[in-house]
Amino acid sequence: AQKITQTQPGMFVQEKEAVTLDCTYDTSDPSYGLFWYKQPSSGEMIFLIYQGSYDQQNATEGRYSLNFQKARKSANLVISASQLGDSAMYFCAMRENDKLSFGAGTTVTVRA
Amino acid sequence: GAVVSQHPSWVICKSGTSVKIECRSLDFQATTMFWYRQFPKQSLMLMATSNEGSKATYEQGVEKDKFLINHASLTLSTLTVTSAHPEDSSFYICSANIGAGRETQYFGPGTRLLVL
Repeated sequence: AQKITQTQPGMFVQEKEAVTLDCTYDTSDPSYGLFWYKQPSSGEMIFLIYQGSYDQQNATEGRYSLNFQKARKSANLVISASQLGDSAMYFCAMRENDKLSFGAGTTVTVRA
Repeated sequence: GAVVSQHPSWVICKSGTSVKIECRSLDFQATTMFWYRQFPKQSLMLMATSNEGSKATYEQGVEKDKFLINHASLTLSTLTVTSAHPEDSSFYICSANIGAGRETQYFGPGTRLLVL
């Protein structure tokens, strides 16, 4: 069974607008971590934001915020004030027992 | 932040040859490293977990005799693709585990393998 689900293969967003990338996960482990990574065309995996399963508040890192809804097993990424450089593939991932499982990814294209 | 390097960044080889990819943690010791494979426009798939001083743990469906992993030191893990075939052409990425917390794994820049 798929552990991480990203239902949006691709999204377009206007520069300076906000965009929300969906991510749902499946686990029976009470302790887990949720990550978002950005992968530009160069292939490098760039860490964006982390949310621990016991964290009470939603994580924020600059223009990135994570909308964590534990009961719904949802961890959506919000990118505010989109920039052209934000165009990339975005992956949601979950850590269980040190292993990361990745979603299928969402390609974001920022339009000028 | 912690840095992980990979070498080579890209390689082209003939079918039937073996290719070795190195993954190094540059400023920290990593008892555990992970190897992923990514086909174009697809997600990262974990191939194996590399543990320093012991045998690697392979994910289901990954041939351990095909993808040899050696984690000889706390800063170096190598992946050898033996008798490579065109279907092995892919993007291989390693990551090093620095411990629990917000940034559990640091990723290398990846190695693009093309088997002709």
